[in-house]
Amino acid sequence: GAVVSQHPSRVICKSGTSVKIECRSLDFQATTMFWYRQFPKQSLMLMATSNEGSKATYEQGVEKDKFLINHASLTLSTLTVTSAHPEDSSFYICSARGTINQPQHFGDGTRLSIL
Amino acid sequence: GENVGLHLPTLSVQEGDNSIINCAYSNSASDYFIWYKQESGKGPQFIIDIRSNMDKRQGQRVTVLLNKTVKHLSLQIAATQPGDSAVYFCAENPFYTGTASKLTFGTGTRLQVTL
Repeated sequence: GAVVSQHPSRVICKSGTSVKIECRSLDFQATTMFWYRQFPKQSLMLMATSNEGSKATYEQGVEKDKFLINHASLTLSTLTVTSAHPEDSSFYICSARGTINQPQHFGDGTRLSIL
Repeated sequence: GENVGLHLPTLSVQEGDNSIINCAYSNSASDYFIWYKQESGKGPQFIIDIRSNMDKRQGQRVTVLLNKTVKHLSLQIAATQPGDSAVYFCAENPFYTGTASKLTFGTGTRLQVTL
């Protein structure tokens, strides 16, 4: 089945640090990748949609300068949390989809903790 | 915005019994629905999907039922096993075949399987 790899799985860093999270589709080409955020005991909230070779589309209320997304190839998208603060601590999950008619497949998430 | 919601936040089922997890959606434009299973500390795992032109779809030990009249979706798990313990999310996808295709997740139901 479709495999999506997300790295790192856990990050602990000081306030003010920028953190980069990678999302890779290992056995298929991902035309579209999605980035979600999930707080404890809550559902997934879509942050942005990323199409290969074009700018990401951010959901309302998500700061594009705070959460930088790059989707430079059909197998890799990155999310950079710039100047992270404690309120940015969360579980960040990416997903990838091959074509519009295919389901999204998710990575195992990145637990980000900002001290 | 419109939401996808669940009736029961926690469902406790005895091993071997059948489980039924319910989901209500409000966006009548949704034409594709997916059930995901999320284990602790991991990303959502695809279970089964259904399109709006169907009212039932079966997989291995799982069945999804869609009632468009009352905007209701359910996931049935036969012979529930301890490994089925997880949080289950329904997700809806309006305009599935369009470029705006993206998922909206429900609030989730925790399934606890007792021995």
